[in-house]
Amino acid sequence: QLQLQESGPGLVKPLATLSLTCTVSGDSISSSSYYWGWIRQPPGKGLEWIANIYYSGSRYYNPTLKSRVTISTDSSKNQFSLELSSVTAADTAVYYCARRVYWPRYFDHWGQGKLVTVSS
Amino acid sequence: QSVLTQPPSVSGTPGQRVTISCSGSGSNIGTNAVNWYQHFPGTAPKILMFSSNQRPSGVPDRFSGSKSGTSASLAISGLQSVDEADYYCAAWDDSLNGVVFGGGTKLTVL
Repeated sequence: QLQLQESGPGLVKPLATLSLTCTVSGDSISSSSYYWGWIRQPPGKGLEWIANIYYSGSRYYNPTLKSRVTISTDSSKNQFSLELSSVTAADTAVYYCARRVYWPRYFDHWGQGKLVTVSS
Repeated sequence: QSVLTQPPSVSGTPGQRVTISCSGSGSNIGTNAVNWYQHFPGTAPKILMFSSNQRPSGVPDRFSGSKSGTSASLAISGLQSVDEADYYCAAWDDSLNGVVFGGGTKLTVL
């Protein structure tokens, strides 16, 4: 059974870098059938896509966040990660990791989410 | 402001049929399929409809989806109290080269 689990600090200081890891069990992130992605939900707001990565290294970023975001994989640990630099209070959100079907394109499995608060 | 536009809220009584609209543009819904996600706050979002009108295994046939031009809609018939949740549409946007979501619609079962 596929499981995705987000991990990382729940509190990040302003202007620091937010780092999260998604550990995947029940599937290989090296599969050619899927992308792996991050989506977030600020308090009281809707879902916002952040980035996707494919096993080959292809990356897609939300243009509004691209200058601050890096997505990467660690196939040896079956994990993928998110780094968001120079965070502000506007980056406070629940961060979800998810698996995206290569085609048709949709997120078929999501993690439970990790609340990250940006505050001094 | 979200790229895709949804009504903030809809409501209905048990047994009723409700629809949730999702409006986009030629670079997203006009060109690509629409997906719908059901989200109960505090839990993981769940795929409800993909490729505009395809139900994943386990999703009741009370849920149906359609797309026409640059708009899409999700219909829920035989409304039940368990359907009370937030619903999001999403699509790939060729201009942004990424995924765009609607702002979400809160469904209330009266």
